[in-house]
Amino acid sequence: EIVMTQSPATLSVSPGERATLSCRASQSVSSNLAWYQQKPGQAPRLLIYGASTRATGIPARFSGSGSGTEFTLTISSLQSEDFAVYYCQQYNNWLLTFGGGTKVEIK
Amino acid sequence: QLQLQESGPGLVKPSETLSLTCTVSGGSISSSSYYWGWIRQPPGKGLEWIGSIYYSGSTYYNPSLKSRVTISVDTSKNQFSLKLSSVTAADTAVYYCARQPPRIVVVPAAIIPGWFDPWGQGTLVTVSS
Repeated sequence: EIVMTQSPATLSVSPGERATLSCRASQSVSSNLAWYQQKPGQAPRLLIYGASTRATGIPARFSGSGSGTEFTLTISSLQSEDFAVYYCQQYNNWLLTFGGGTKVEIK
Repeated sequence: QLQLQESGPGLVKPSETLSLTCTVSGGSISSSSYYWGWIRQPPGKGLEWIGSIYYSGSTYYNPSLKSRVTISVDTSKNQFSLKLSSVTAADTAVYYCARQPPRIVVVPAAIIPGWFDPWGQGTLVTVSS
C-alpha cells in the first residue's frame, strides 16, 4: 500500500495570503495524484488531477506541482471560500489511497 | 451534467449487512468507459477508498475490506451498489459514491481506477443496536 502523508495537519493563513500544502508518497506515484477540497458537511470536490491539471471550473489561484513522491498544492491568494480541508489521493496503484488531510483555517 | 445520489438505510445493526445504492443521472453507466467507486469517511476523520467497479463489471476492492465487500452494477436502472457484511461500529461513516476515469497501465497490462469526480452528496450510515 502506498502511504500518503500530508503536512502540515493545520495551516493558519490570512485572507489574501498564499497557502502551500504538501503531500508525500511512500513510493513514486509518477504524476498520478489528485487534490480535493472538502468543506464542512459537503462532499469532497476535485481540484487537481495529474498532479497539475486543474479540474473544470477550478479557479486559476489553485495550482498543483510535483512528481514522484513530493507534491504541492498552492493557493495563490486565499479567498474566504477556500478555508476547508484538502486531501491528496494517489491513483498510480490500483489500491487507491488518500492523505490524512490539511485543514486551512483563518489566521 | 452528471449527478450521483446515494440511498439506503441510515441505521444498521451490528453483524448485519450494510446496503447502499448510487443512482446516476445525466449519463449512462453502461455507455461510457468509467469506473464507479465507493469511498467512506468516519465522523471527523479522513477518506477511505472502499472499492470500484468498471462499466464492464470488473472490480477492485480495498484489501482491508475485501472479505466483506461486494460492489455490483445494474445498468438497467443506471445504478451501482455496495454491500458490506458483518458491520461493526467501526463501519459508521458517511458513504460517498463517485465516478472515476480509467487509467491504462502498460506493465502489468491493466485498466485501473483513477481520481474521483464527480461525487455524490454522501449518506451517513450508523451502526448501532
